[in-house]
Amino acid sequence: DGGITQSPKYLFRKEGQNVTLSCEQNLNHDAMYWYRQDPGQGLRLIYYSQIVNDFQKGDIAEGYSVSREKKESFPLTVTSAQKNPTAFYLCASSRADRGNQPQHFGDGTRLSIL
Amino acid sequence: AQSVTQLGSHVSVSEGALVLLRCNYSSSVPPYLFWYVQYPNQGLQLLLKYTSAATLVKGINGFEAEFKKSETSFHLTKPSAHMSDAAEYFCAVTHAGGTSYGKLTFGQGTILTVHP
Repeated sequence: DGGITQSPKYLFRKEGQNVTLSCEQNLNHDAMYWYRQDPGQGLRLIYYSQIVNDFQKGDIAEGYSVSREKKESFPLTVTSAQKNPTAFYLCASSRADRGNQPQHFGDGTRLSIL
Repeated sequence: AQSVTQLGSHVSVSEGALVLLRCNYSSSVPPYLFWYVQYPNQGLQLLLKYTSAATLVKGINGFEAEFKKSETSFHLTKPSAHMSDAAEYFCAVTHAGGTSYGKLTFGQGTILTVHP
């Protein structure tokens, strides 16, 4: 079945450590997105990519970095500069048409501080 | 700029009762609107979408929503709640064209509780 796979499901970060969250899709979608979810705040866009080797900052990109070397993969690195990384992180993908295509979501990675 | 307001962070209904989850949007151009559902510790699942075709949109699990341009609303309804409908629901808006096409703006979410 086609879908989006996020790993790991749970992740713990130590002080000063960078951690990378994996996101892989086999839906042949051009666009991919990373969101952060905090209780009562909905989803906030971190980064998005509409094509391989290109990506744009979202609303809360500080302390995060991404790469898009392959169409299927869009890993997110939470750097030590992100002082409050504890959250639920969701990856999504969609066809990059005129914006009317729904986004498909993975099952998320929950990041906590040790 | 675009934004979404979901009225009521928590809604509680009895099983078999009408479900009404409210969503108002703001967009300077014609919007595309979506409703998603999220079960605990899972990703979001698309319930339905409005993309400028019929204003009454039917989705999965018996849900529907009506786009009302004059009221800038896209409320989600279901005639009869089921226990399995208990989840968090998100309304989202985007629009065609421009450099930000496809970028979704989400509401804060509404947690639906269904009582037996």
